[in-house]
Amino acid sequence: KQEVTQIPAALSVPEGENLVLNCSFTDSAIYNLQWFRQDPGKGLTSLLLIQSSQREQTSGRLNASLDKSSGRSTLYIAASQPGDSATYLCAAPALGSARQLTFGSGTQLTVLP
Amino acid sequence: GAGVSQTPSNKVTEKGKYVELRCDPISGHTALYWYRQSLGQGPEFLIYFQGTGAADDSGLPNDRFFAVRPEGSVSTLKIQRTERGDSAVYLCASSLTFSDEAFFGQGTRLTVV
Repeated sequence: KQEVTQIPAALSVPEGENLVLNCSFTDSAIYNLQWFRQDPGKGLTSLLLIQSSQREQTSGRLNASLDKSSGRSTLYIAASQPGDSATYLCAAPALGSARQLTFGSGTQLTVLP
Repeated sequence: GAGVSQTPSNKVTEKGKYVELRCDPISGHTALYWYRQSLGQGPEFLIYFQGTGAADDSGLPNDRFFAVRPEGSVSTLKIQRTERGDSAVYLCASSLTFSDEAFFGQGTRLTVV
């Protein structure tokens, strides 16, 4: 069974800081990994999808990396802004069932002005 | 529409009643998923459709839960004899195929009283 863990569960930083969110997964035979953002009471917004053949994916101030061998992915946010405050979730395909995404519990990020 | 649309956004029902939750996926997306999210947790997989057929329903918790996608577009999640433990946010997602980026709707918050 695929297990996805995100540490820390919550993070508070001052505006302007660069920060890294961590995601680890137990089954390294994944073909992709996806990062999402969730605002309170809202659905999930897709941020980045990294294919297994890629090591990094970038979108604006966001950079996601994938290291299958160590079962880890990181989401790097540069020059954080209060508007980045949200819960960030990573998801990997479930072991034996590529059609299911297994999610971590998320990291709740607060960027203080 | 541009994104995945879910209706209603909120549903309050009495214990024992029947409810239907609707999902309109992004046009052209053949893959459709239902997830359930409890407070403070990541979404949990319920069911996956490829076209009209339920290709993977292994996440449905019991036989009170059923979903259909008769024409390969709109999907309905049906819950019979609702219980208080069914209270959660039900999220729908779609993607071009199962290995592509998944896009989520805003969710339906179901409250069983």
